[in-house]
Amino acid sequence: EAGVVQSPRYKIIEKKQPVAFWCNPISGHNTLYWYLQNLGQGPELLIRYENEEAVDDSQLPKDRFSAERLKGVDSTLKIQPAELGDSAVYLCASSRENTGELFFGEGSRLTVL
Amino acid sequence: SQQGEEDPQALSIQEGENATMNCSYKTSINNLQWYRQNSGRGLVHLILIRSNEREKHSGRLRVTLDTSKKSSSLLITASRAADTASYFCATDGGYQKVTFGTGTKLQVIP
Repeated sequence: EAGVVQSPRYKIIEKKQPVAFWCNPISGHNTLYWYLQNLGQGPELLIRYENEEAVDDSQLPKDRFSAERLKGVDSTLKIQPAELGDSAVYLCASSRENTGELFFGEGSRLTVL
Repeated sequence: SQQGEEDPQALSIQEGENATMNCSYKTSINNLQWYRQNSGRGLVHLILIRSNEREKHSGRLRVTLDTSKKSSSLLITASRAADTASYFCATDGGYQKVTFGTGTKLQVIP
């Protein structure tokens, strides 16, 4: 089966510009996660979806970050405006209900200048 | 926020030796998982151990779980250069809320 697909792989923008990341999970996986990973650190959860419902967005900085998962499949994570501290890798993962195992995409590396 | 903390932060061993990484966590869990991440890549699931299990094996991997101490260990036997990567423990406290630790960076020298 095809894996989790993320785009773009790399993005360089100037501060205060907007940026968007796209994720296509594995077919049939109803749970979708967005994680942020800083260099040398573990992934930190931003938001988790069950189908199209955001069930955990407590760690999402809602003043500048937004996410959506239309029709419970693809998802988009947006930052507007970007700040220098947003430079990181944004990882998308998906899982099948009640299996525990997460499948990750390759990540989108953001550099804010 | 990170639920788990791995120890050591970095580990360098010779090929053929065993590598042991430890993970401590803070709250009760349904299961604990270990993932590997090669440089610049996404994470890959290695093994999952449920809260009612104490030990699990998968190929050259052995995982133990001590819920009374809120700790787990990952043992990689007969390490290979290809095992060079960062290893993360992740806890599922229920409802598939999966929280990752800080990671151990393993270097296996050929």
